[in-house]
Amino acid sequence: SSALTQDPAVSVALGQTVRITCQGDSLRSYYASWYQQKPGQAPVLVIYGKNNRPSGIPDRFSGSSSGNTASLTITGAQAEDEADYYCDSRDSSANHYVFGTGTKVTVL
Amino acid sequence: QVTLKESGPALVKPTQTLTLTCTFSGFSLSTSGMRVSWIRQPPGKALEWLARIDWDDDKFYSTSLKTRLTISKDTSKNQVVLTMTNMDRVDTATYYCAREAYYYDSSGYYYGWFDPWGQGTLVTVSS
Repeated sequence: SSALTQDPAVSVALGQTVRITCQGDSLRSYYASWYQQKPGQAPVLVIYGKNNRPSGIPDRFSGSSSGNTASLTITGAQAEDEADYYCDSRDSSANHYVFGTGTKVTVL
Repeated sequence: QVTLKESGPALVKPTQTLTLTCTFSGFSLSTSGMRVSWIRQPPGKALEWLARIDWDDDKFYSTSLKTRLTISKDTSKNQVVLTMTNMDRVDTATYYCAREAYYYDSSGYYYGWFDPWGQGTLVTVSS
């Protein structure tokens, strides 16, 4: 199956660390990318490749992968990190794409 | 600076055909390696990839929607057009276009991601 599964919601205290996971068979072959989406806004890329951040993304965002699971970690979560987060991957041909089910992160 | 912007009708009736246009700047779809995809998001739900067009006019479609989708490009206008036939209420969503950036490392391993995205356009299907 090409589906990517994420926990629906997680919460984190301000300044603490939270890890968001994404599971799927395709992650054994492809690194996930991660997107942050705030209400009413388009998704924004936060992690790509093995663990790369686009310009302007704080270094408290990091990514990792093991087996069929990709993870996005926010170390020292800030109030502005409260958002939905989506992972994505590809099918075996790399010509079809699948997104995760999304995780809502609440910063307490 | 790469930017993309979606445009199209905000409201369509069931059974009608939807036509959306993605107008972009900062790159050319005639440049080798360039790719643009359409992605949608129903209200309160997850993202769903729809289609992709490449610089060489290769086209790829979501398996579940391929019979209803057509993607095309007008390189001279820097536009990508998506049509979706036989619209239904379940197709109500915000539709995004995004550029895919990618590369293959020395081992042939593929890395790809969508960046940037357009602002999205909300399409409501209702009679």
